[in-house]
Amino acid sequence: DTAVSQTPKYLVTQMGNDKSIKCEQNLGHDTMYWYKQDSKKFLKIMFSYNNKELIINETVPNRFSPKSPDKAHLNLHINSLELGDSAVYFCASSRDGQGSTEAFFGQGTRLTVV
Amino acid sequence: LAKTTQPISMDSYEGQEVNITCSHNNIATNDYITWYQQFPSQGPRFIIQGYKTKVTNEVASLFIPADRKSSTLSLPRVSLSDTAVYYCLVGANTGGFKTIFGAGTRLFVKA
Repeated sequence: DTAVSQTPKYLVTQMGNDKSIKCEQNLGHDTMYWYKQDSKKFLKIMFSYNNKELIINETVPNRFSPKSPDKAHLNLHINSLELGDSAVYFCASSRDGQGSTEAFFGQGTRLTVV
Repeated sequence: LAKTTQPISMDSYEGQEVNITCSHNNIATNDYITWYQQFPSQGPRFIIQGYKTKVTNEVASLFIPADRKSSTLSLPRVSLSDTAVYYCLVGANTGGFKTIFGAGTRLFVKA
């Protein structure tokens, strides 16, 4: 069983569209995250949720809206997609939000905006 | 948020020991040092974590000097399958796992 799964794996869409990426973890973790990995391979945190509550919201355009229906799911909705949104988006989870806790990552969603 | 600096890339041969050093001069007292490995088209995977001195698991060893301003990931007898990007992180503590992975070190293992 995949611990952290996200769908879709690939997403190609046109500028201006709205799209969602889904993430689910079956590890019973309390904390989930969304990261963005750009073309230079920098992996930067976007959001963090702990028990369905937003605890980290980095400087991300408000076109990006995370939604956590329960602590096992953290979906990412993106409105009015732009070319610069093209990247690989990773979902992750950890037992808690401590820096000493291992994070488990999904396989990533490669988003291409054309 | 402690910044980390590590070499952009390293080459090695199969069977050699590889040491990747990371600098984190402004590490905070309660920060942990964590290393992740990432293969192409996959998410990062936890390798090892430590706070001070030395930590060893079945995959790697992590050496941390007393001042904790740097750390060294040691991979014994690398194989071709160890070719990957290795990220050094200094994790924040309470309030959330807030960190930037940076560009990492691209290790290329040759036959």
